[in-house]
Amino acid sequence: AQSVSQHNHHVILSEAASLELGCNYSYGGTVNLFWYVQYPGQHLQLLLKYFSGDPLVKGIKGFEAEFIKSKFSFNLRKPSVQWSDTAEYFCAAKGRSSASKIIFGSGTRLSIRP
Amino acid sequence: GAGVSQSPRYKVAKRGQDVALRCDPISGHVSLFWYQQALGQGPEFLTYFQNEAQLDKSGLPSDRFFAERPEGSVSTLKIQRTQQEDSAVYLCASSLAPQTGSNEKLFFGSGTQLSVL
Repeated sequence: AQSVSQHNHHVILSEAASLELGCNYSYGGTVNLFWYVQYPGQHLQLLLKYFSGDPLVKGIKGFEAEFIKSKFSFNLRKPSVQWSDTAEYFCAAKGRSSASKIIFGSGTRLSIRP
Repeated sequence: GAGVSQSPRYKVAKRGQDVALRCDPISGHVSLFWYQQALGQGPEFLTYFQNEAQLDKSGLPSDRFFAERPEGSVSTLKIQRTQQEDSAVYLCASSLAPQTGSNEKLFFGSGTQLSVL
Protein backbone atom coordinates (compact mmCIF):
# COMPACT_ATOMS: atom_id res chain seq x y z
CA ALA A 1 0.00 0.00 0.00
CA GLN A 2 1.12 3.54 -0.67
CA SER A 3 2.26 5.38 2.43
CA VAL A 4 4.46 8.18 3.75
CA SER A 5 6.14 7.93 7.15
CA GLN A 6 7.57 10.74 9.24
CA HIS A 7 9.64 9.49 12.11
CA ASN A 8 9.61 12.48 14.41
CA HIS A 9 6.34 13.77 15.82
CA HIS A 10 7.82 16.72 17.69
CA VAL A 11 11.29 18.24 17.37
CA ILE A 12 12.58 20.98 19.66
CA LEU A 13 15.69 22.94 18.69
CA SER A 14 17.48 26.11 19.67
CA GLU A 15 18.01 28.90 17.15
CA ALA A 16 21.00 28.34 14.84
CA ALA A 17 20.87 24.56 15.32
CA SER A 18 20.86 22.34 12.24
CA LEU A 19 17.67 20.55 11.27
CA GLU A 20 16.93 17.23 9.63
CA LEU A 21 13.41 15.83 9.47
CA GLY A 22 13.01 12.27 8.27
CA CYS A 23 10.59 11.07 5.61
CA ASN A 24 10.23 7.63 4.04
CA TYR A 25 7.75 6.60 1.41
CA SER A 26 6.36 3.33 0.16
CA TYR A 27 5.18 3.47 -3.44
CA GLY A 28 5.10 1.23 -6.45
CA GLY A 29 6.55 3.06 -9.41
CA THR A 30 7.95 6.55 -9.85
CA VAL A 31 6.93 9.26 -7.44
CA ASN A 32 6.90 12.99 -7.04
CA LEU A 33 7.84 14.12 -3.54
CA PHE A 34 6.92 17.24 -1.61
CA TRP A 35 7.39 19.01 1.68
CA TYR A 36 4.58 21.25 2.84
CA VAL A 37 4.69 23.59 5.83
CA GLN A 38 1.94 24.99 8.02
CA TYR A 39 2.90 28.00 10.11
CA PRO A 40 0.76 28.73 13.20
CA GLY A 41 -2.63 30.06 12.15
CA GLN A 42 -1.88 29.75 8.45
CA HIS A 43 -2.78 27.31 5.69
CA LEU A 44 -0.57 24.57 4.27
CA GLN A 45 1.90 25.80 1.69
CA LEU A 46 4.51 24.17 -0.51
CA LEU A 47 8.09 24.31 0.77
CA LEU A 48 9.80 22.35 -2.00
CA LYS A 49 9.23 19.50 -4.43
CA TYR A 50 11.14 16.81 -6.30
CA PHE A 51 10.01 15.70 -9.72
CA SER A 52 13.14 14.53 -11.54
CA GLY A 53 16.78 15.42 -12.12
CA ASP A 54 19.09 16.61 -9.35
CA PRO A 55 18.10 14.67 -6.21
CA LEU A 56 19.06 17.62 -4.00
CA VAL A 57 16.30 20.18 -4.23
CA LYS A 58 16.26 23.63 -2.72
CA GLY A 59 13.15 25.34 -1.50
CA ILE A 60 12.12 28.57 0.11
CA LYS A 61 13.64 30.01 3.29
CA GLY A 62 16.89 28.06 3.04
CA PHE A 63 15.34 24.59 3.20
CA GLU A 64 16.56 21.71 1.09
CA ALA A 65 15.71 18.03 0.71
CA GLU A 66 17.56 15.07 -0.72
CA PHE A 67 15.86 12.25 -2.61
CA ILE A 68 17.67 8.96 -1.96
CA LYS A 69 15.97 6.35 -4.10
CA SER A 70 17.80 3.37 -2.55
CA LYS A 71 16.53 4.36 0.89
CA PHE A 72 13.06 5.49 -0.22
CA SER A 73 13.77 8.70 1.69
CA PHE A 74 13.26 12.42 1.19
CA ASN A 75 14.64 14.09 4.30
CA LEU A 76 14.27 17.82 4.88
CA ARG A 77 17.27 19.83 6.04
CA LYS A 78 18.23 23.34 7.05
CA PRO A 79 21.72 24.26 8.26
CA SER A 80 20.64 26.91 10.77
CA VAL A 81 17.05 27.27 11.97
CA GLN A 82 15.34 30.47 13.04
CA TRP A 83 12.54 31.07 15.52
CA SER A 84 10.26 31.82 12.55
CA ASP A 85 10.68 28.21 11.35
CA THR A 86 8.37 27.07 14.13
CA ALA A 87 5.65 25.19 12.23
CA GLU A 88 4.24 21.79 11.30
CA TYR A 89 6.03 20.08 8.42
CA PHE A 90 4.40 17.47 6.19
CA CYS A 91 6.11 15.17 3.75
CA ALA A 92 3.96 14.04 0.81
CA ALA A 93 4.19 11.77 -2.23
CA LYS A 94 2.31 11.41 -5.49
CA GLY A 95 2.57 8.63 -8.02
CA ARG A 96 3.13 9.59 -11.63
CA SER A 97 0.05 7.72 -12.86
CA SER A 98 -2.87 9.76 -14.06
CA ALA A 99 -5.10 11.38 -11.47
CA SER A 100 -3.02 9.95 -8.67
CA LYS A 101 -3.72 11.57 -5.33
CA ILE A 102 -1.14 13.12 -3.02
CA ILE A 103 -0.57 11.14 0.18
CA PHE A 104 0.68 12.97 3.26
CA GLY A 105 2.68 11.83 6.24
CA SER A 106 1.43 12.47 9.76
CA GLY A 107 3.56 15.58 10.17
CA THR A 108 6.40 16.78 12.40
CA ARG A 109 5.89 19.68 14.75
CA LEU A 110 9.01 21.84 14.95
CA SER A 111 9.45 24.15 17.92
CA ILE A 112 12.36 26.60 17.96
CA ARG A 113 13.56 28.09 21.24
CA PRO A 114 14.59 31.72 20.81
CA GLY B 1 -9.85 35.51 -5.50
CA ALA B 2 -6.37 35.67 -4.05
CA GLY B 3 -6.48 32.23 -2.51
CA VAL B 4 -8.63 29.22 -1.74
CA SER B 5 -11.51 30.24 0.49
CA GLN B 6 -13.43 27.86 2.75
CA SER B 7 -16.54 28.45 4.80
CA PRO B 8 -17.56 28.22 7.50
CA ARG B 9 -14.28 28.42 9.39
CA TYR B 10 -15.80 26.54 12.33
CA LYS B 11 -18.86 24.32 12.46
CA VAL B 12 -20.40 22.68 15.49
CA ALA B 13 -22.99 20.01 14.75
CA LYS B 14 -25.10 17.73 16.89
CA ARG B 15 -24.72 14.06 16.14
CA GLY B 16 -27.12 13.09 13.38
CA GLN B 17 -27.23 16.56 11.84
CA ASP B 18 -26.35 17.16 8.17
CA VAL B 19 -23.61 19.67 7.34
CA ALA B 20 -22.39 21.35 4.16
CA LEU B 21 -18.89 22.73 3.77
CA ARG B 22 -18.02 25.14 0.98
CA CYS B 23 -14.83 25.64 -1.00
CA ASP B 24 -14.07 28.49 -3.40
CA PRO B 25 -10.92 27.54 -5.33
CA ILE B 26 -8.59 29.97 -7.04
CA SER B 27 -10.26 31.22 -10.19
CA GLY B 28 -9.34 29.13 -13.23
CA HIS B 29 -7.97 26.20 -11.27
CA VAL B 30 -8.93 22.92 -12.89
CA SER B 31 -8.17 20.51 -10.06
CA LEU B 32 -9.89 20.52 -6.69
CA PHE B 33 -9.24 18.20 -3.77
CA TRP B 34 -10.89 17.59 -0.43
CA TYR B 35 -8.83 16.29 2.48
CA GLN B 36 -9.75 15.34 6.04
CA GLN B 37 -7.24 16.11 8.80
CA ALA B 38 -7.80 14.58 12.21
CA LEU B 39 -6.06 16.05 15.25
CA GLY B 40 -2.35 15.23 15.21
CA GLN B 41 -2.50 13.60 11.78
CA GLY B 42 -1.65 14.55 8.24
CA PRO B 43 -4.32 15.32 5.64
CA GLU B 44 -6.13 12.24 4.35
CA PHE B 45 -7.40 12.30 0.76
CA LEU B 46 -11.17 12.27 0.32
CA THR B 47 -11.98 13.13 -3.28
CA TYR B 48 -10.72 14.82 -6.44
CA PHE B 49 -12.45 16.88 -9.15
CA GLN B 50 -11.17 17.84 -12.56
CA ASN B 51 -13.46 20.71 -13.49
CA GLU B 52 -16.97 19.39 -12.74
CA ALA B 53 -16.05 15.71 -13.04
CA GLN B 54 -15.43 13.77 -9.87
CA LEU B 55 -12.59 11.50 -11.00
CA ASP B 56 -11.65 9.93 -7.70
CA LYS B 57 -13.80 9.47 -4.63
CA SER B 58 -11.92 6.53 -3.21
CA GLY B 59 -11.14 8.35 0.03
CA LEU B 60 -14.71 9.10 1.08
CA PRO B 61 -15.12 7.09 4.30
CA SER B 62 -18.78 6.19 3.85
CA ASP B 63 -21.85 6.88 1.78
CA ARG B 64 -22.72 9.64 4.26
CA PHE B 65 -20.07 11.75 2.55
CA PHE B 66 -20.93 13.41 -0.74
CA ALA B 67 -19.10 16.07 -2.76
CA GLU B 68 -20.06 18.06 -5.82
CA ARG B 69 -18.65 20.74 -8.08
CA PRO B 70 -21.51 21.31 -10.53
CA GLU B 71 -20.06 24.22 -12.53
CA GLY B 72 -16.41 23.37 -12.20
CA SER B 73 -15.63 26.10 -9.69
CA VAL B 74 -17.20 26.15 -6.19
CA SER B 75 -17.37 22.79 -4.47
CA THR B 76 -19.47 21.55 -1.56
CA LEU B 77 -18.69 18.65 0.74
CA LYS B 78 -21.80 17.33 2.43
CA ILE B 79 -21.85 15.00 5.40
CA GLN B 80 -25.15 13.41 6.30
CA ARG B 81 -26.10 12.13 9.76
CA THR B 82 -22.83 13.32 11.28
CA GLN B 83 -21.08 11.16 13.85
CA GLN B 84 -18.43 12.01 16.42
CA GLU B 85 -15.69 10.36 14.38
CA ASP B 86 -16.38 12.90 11.62
CA SER B 87 -14.85 15.62 13.83
CA ALA B 88 -11.81 16.91 11.97
CA VAL B 89 -10.52 19.78 9.88
CA TYR B 90 -11.71 19.53 6.29
CA LEU B 91 -9.24 21.03 3.85
CA CYS B 92 -9.84 22.06 0.29
CA ALA B 93 -7.01 22.49 -2.20
CA SER B 94 -6.85 23.51 -5.83
CA SER B 95 -4.26 23.52 -8.58
CA LEU B 96 -4.07 25.01 -12.04
CA ALA B 97 -3.49 21.84 -14.04
CA PRO B 98 -5.22 18.48 -14.25
CA GLN B 99 -3.59 15.88 -12.02
CA THR B 100 -2.42 13.62 -14.84
CA GLY B 101 1.13 12.90 -13.76
CA SER B 102 1.73 16.59 -13.26
CA ASN B 103 3.82 17.92 -10.40
CA GLU B 104 1.61 20.96 -9.98
CA LYS B 105 1.58 22.24 -6.43
CA LEU B 106 -1.57 22.46 -4.40
CA PHE B 107 -2.91 25.68 -2.93
CA PHE B 108 -4.73 24.98 0.32
CA GLY B 109 -7.53 26.80 2.06
CA SER B 110 -7.54 27.40 5.81
CA GLY B 111 -9.99 24.58 6.34
CA THR B 112 -13.28 24.08 8.15
CA GLN B 113 -13.00 22.72 11.66
CA LEU B 114 -15.98 20.43 12.26
CA SER B 115 -16.88 19.40 15.78
CA VAL B 116 -19.64 16.84 16.20
CA LEU B 117 -21.09 16.69 19.70
